[in-house]
Amino acid sequence: GAGVSQSPSNKVTEKGKDVELRCDPISGHTALYWYRQSLGQGLEFLIYFQGNSAPDKSGLPSDRFSAERTGGSVSTLTIQRTQQEDSAVYLCASSLEASGRGETQYFGPGTRLLVL
Amino acid sequence: DQQVKQNSPSLSVQEGRISILNCDYTNSMFDYFLWYKKYPAEGPTFLISISSIKDKNEDGRFTVFLNKSAKHLSLHIVPSQPGDSAVYFCAARAGGYQKVTFGTGTKLQVIP
Repeated sequence: GAGVSQSPSNKVTEKGKDVELRCDPISGHTALYWYRQSLGQGLEFLIYFQGNSAPDKSGLPSDRFSAERTGGSVSTLTIQRTQQEDSAVYLCASSLEASGRGETQYFGPGTRLLVL
Repeated sequence: DQQVKQNSPSLSVQEGRISILNCDYTNSMFDYFLWYKKYPAEGPTFLISISSIKDKNEDGRFTVFLNKSAKHLSLHIVPSQPGDSAVYFCAARAGGYQKVTFGTGTKLQVIP
């Protein structure tokens, strides 16, 4: 059984460019989460999806960040007009459902983004 | 505002001894706590969790203790093994709310 996969594994981009990060959750998992980890920081919650809808977008740092999920499966996180402070490891996780009972989240390996 | 704090960025322990990783939180609404382990270049993997209705949960060599009055939890690893060397993240969530708040992690090194 495949785990959560993310692509690309590494991305170097120039300031001002747009980037798109992809997450493939574990098959059958209805909940999907995006986090980021900046250097020396903990994991910062960005957004989560239950199915294709995003009940909680409170963690998105600015309106340059957006995410979508289609078909209840793959999700993309888009960062427009990237800034150097966007450099971080972006982690995706999925869980069976998001009912608040503490379901285990399974993480992907992350995408390491460097904005020059 | 760091609601989940891991004040020790690193810890070294001799193989076979006990490793104790600490975590403090400030949000009294948190009622479920998790520990994750992370190896370099990999995503975090779930290790053990505890609900606020309990004060201890044990799984093999791993035990998590929760002191709600002190807003403190700890992860005990006994006996520690070299393969336990990793970064350990403490995490917490409030009931019915899916946002999980993570600490900054503690890097554990188990010395053979």
